[in-house]
Amino acid sequence: DQQVKQNSPSLSVQEGRISILNCDYTNSMFDYFLWYKKYPAEGPTFLISISSIKDKNEDGRFTVFLNKSAKHLSLHIVPSQPGDSAVYFCAAPRGNMLTFGGGTRLMVKP
Amino acid sequence: GAGVSQSPSNKVTEKGKDVELRCDPISGHTALYWYRQSLGQGLEFLIYFQGNSAPDKSGLPSDRFSAERTGGSVSTLTIQRTQQEDSAVYLCASSFIVPPGHGGSGNTIYFGEGSWLTVV
Repeated sequence: DQQVKQNSPSLSVQEGRISILNCDYTNSMFDYFLWYKKYPAEGPTFLISISSIKDKNEDGRFTVFLNKSAKHLSLHIVPSQPGDSAVYFCAAPRGNMLTFGGGTRLMVKP
Repeated sequence: GAGVSQSPSNKVTEKGKDVELRCDPISGHTALYWYRQSLGQGLEFLIYFQGNSAPDKSGLPSDRFSAERTGGSVSTLTIQRTQQEDSAVYLCASSFIVPPGHGGSGNTIYFGEGSWLTVV
């Protein structure tokens, strides 16, 4: 029962362009969403979050959009930089823990 | 350092052997989580400790998996009679008393670098 899904396992973007990472969820009770970023051989680190009372949250080059009616959120990175190359996970709190999507590997080409 | 510390960073073991993975959470964090990431998969919740409360073991995949947390700090995840499908990165995380979904925010959860387990 995968309640948070990231349907694109990988994404390749040119440096300077926009990266859009997508996430869908099935549980309408989710009211908070988070994005984590993971480099190889490192643990995930928190990137940005959004509460369900908002439809947009921006932090520098990173913006998360939430469409509650579609149960969809997206992370926009603009402009993309080679250092952004990593695996990105969306997550939602459920009970005592976070439930994560399967991740999207972003590759930003110089 | 001041982050979540895990050991060993890499472990290769033979099928059928037992392994222990250790996690030192950030000082002052009362919540501790174990997750694992299998090859090509997302992060799978295993177990959650909060203070002196009974742990939430709902994510443990089988009775070969167990975990304990001594003195409210260090945690050990034990896998008995390892199988090849146990090969994964085992990630420990810790947070302040309020986990996300209970008024907390995601930036209070800190992950360690993980213990890479390979069962041959």
